[in-house]
Amino acid sequence: GQNIDQPTEMTATEGAIVQINCTYQTSGFNGLFWYQQHAGEAPTFLSYNVLDGLEEKGRFSSFLSRSKGYSYLLLKELQMKDSASYLCAVSDRNYQLIWGAGTKLIIKP
Amino acid sequence: TAGITQAPTSQILAAGRSMTLRCTQDMRHNAMYWYRQDLGLGLRLIHYSNTAGTTGKGEVPDGYSVSRANTDDFPLTLASAVPSQTSVYFCASSDFTSGGADEQFFGPGTRLTVL
Repeated sequence: GQNIDQPTEMTATEGAIVQINCTYQTSGFNGLFWYQQHAGEAPTFLSYNVLDGLEEKGRFSSFLSRSKGYSYLLLKELQMKDSASYLCAVSDRNYQLIWGAGTKLIIKP
Repeated sequence: TAGITQAPTSQILAAGRSMTLRCTQDMRHNAMYWYRQDLGLGLRLIHYSNTAGTTGKGEVPDGYSVSRANTDDFPLTLASAVPSQTSVYFCASSDFTSGGADEQFFGPGTRLTVL
């Protein structure tokens, strides 16, 4: 079967750095997405990786290792507004997105 | 630009009743999707449409039907609602091209409670 695993919840301090991991087993691979979802709102796109390596976008970076079936999202200089759920999703062989359950990130002052 | 709109925002529905959740996008995206999101689970695909006039089944299609008469609209119908269909429903769209994985844009969601 297809499976996406990520931690249920993480806590970090304002101004710090946090890394959210995602491991996956899917039928085919056409890229990995990270989305942010604030409570009661819709998911919004953060990043997309299809090749191995690090993609940097401001305070957010995303890393992919296809051989290990592994990705992480790195958030730097954490702000209170970064409190949200972070969703990992893999595009499978049919270009359908398979979603993890999400990681709820709690930022403390 | 509105992006994707969904209606209603929330609804309480008696079991056995039918209901249509509406979704409209103004981005001229060819692909549209319906997901449900339940606590502790990832988004699960109900139905999708890669282009107007075609639809496909996702991971959890039972009890739901869709149509795609034009590019902009993608309604989801529950023919006879059951309590297990209580969920938050998200509509999404993307500029799908075969050979590429594309960012999906989401509507604000419909919170449905079936009693």
